[in-house]
This record gives sequence, structure tokens and C-alpha cells, in this order.
Amino acid sequence: GIQVEQSPPDLILQEGANSTLRCNFSDSVNNLQWFHQNPWGQLINLFYIPSGTKQNGRLSATTVATERYSLLYISSSQTTDSGVYFCAVAGGTSYGKLTFGQGTILTVHP
Amino acid sequence: DGGITQSPKYLFRKEGQNVTLSCEQNLNHDAMYWYRQDPGQGLRLIYYSQIVNDFQKGDIAEGYSVSREKKESFPLTVTSAQKNPTAFYLCASSMVGGAAEQFFGPGTRLTVL
Repeated sequence: GIQVEQSPPDLILQEGANSTLRCNFSDSVNNLQWFHQNPWGQLINLFYIPSGTKQNGRLSATTVATERYSLLYISSSQTTDSGVYFCAVAGGTSYGKLTFGQGTILTVHP
Repeated sequence: DGGITQSPKYLFRKEGQNVTLSCEQNLNHDAMYWYRQDPGQGLRLIYYSQIVNDFQKGDIAEGYSVSREKKESFPLTVTSAQKNPTAFYLCASSMVGGAAEQFFGPGTRLTVL
């Protein structure tokens, strides 16, 4: 099956700093999603981005499908951005079965 | 409000007991999924269903069972055969099709005493 690798595993920032999270995957995909898991465990959908670039406020994401990676950019970070960020992918024959990376734990200090 | 609900939020089980976790959605989605999350880990797929009365095993189906009698509901039973059931369980749904965006419920934390 598809392998998903996220980096870095941990990231500590001061409020206001920018950051880039990376997701590498081992095969072609037709679904790639970025999630933020809050302290209560809820997975919040950030981006559905199997290819291309999207922006939503301070967050943006880019997926380069031909090179099998995706990047999540967080600008002007806030303490509420803290939590775990997951990348998840599904391949062409996976019938929607998402494979998750191990996540990046982001801590933003005031 | 459209969304996915899971109940209960917390569940405690004695060893040897079966328990059933509820998942309901009113998004009119055809596909539903169950994932398991262990501490410090990503999610792993247990079972999924693309249509009513049909479901398929995921990567870690042993010790679990599901049913899909209604489009809106996809309950998960954790049986006594599951060796290490303590985990966080998340239900998701999507439009049918492998490329469809998935949306998640708030989860159920199961603890075996």
C-alpha cells in the first residue's frame, strides 16, 4: 500500500512565526487531505488538495503530484494553531481508504 | 446542522465484553468509514462501506464487526476477540468514490478496564 511520511515530527514556534510542514507519499494519489487534530481529538478538515495550490486565510497548501509531496504553510502562527497536523492520502484503487502519516505535533508559544 | 455524530464520547469496558459504538451522519453520504487511533499515532482503517448492506475490511479488521442497514448509520462492535481495544475510534463519511473528501465525527474513547 501507499506509504506516507510527514516531517518534521515535532515543531515548536513563537507566536507570529511561519512554518512549513511536509508530506511525502510513495505512489500516485487521487485524494490528499490535510487535517488539524485539536486537543479534544476532533479532526478538522483543512484542505482537500490532490494537486495544485489552495489558500484559506493564514494557511495554504501545495501538492506536486508528479513529485509525490505536499506542503502545508502556516503564516503568522497563533497559539490556537497548536495541535497535531495529519496528511492522509488515497490511491486510485483504494476506494477512498485513507492512509495517514504519523503527524506533525505543532506547539505555538505566546 | 449537517454532520457526523458519534456516541458515547467515552466508553469503559470490562475484558471479555462486546461493546457497540454508534456513528450517524445526515450529510447524505453513501460511504462511511471506521478508523482507530492509538496514542501518538496516525489513524488506521478498520472497516468501510460504500453502500447500504455492503462493507469491506480495512487494514485492522480482526476483532471488530460492523453493519450497514441504513444509509445514515454505521455502528462498530468491538468484540472480546480484539486483543488491545483501548483506543480512540473515529467515524468518517464521504460521497461515494475513491477521490471524495472525507469528514470525521468527534470520536469515541474506549478504555478496557
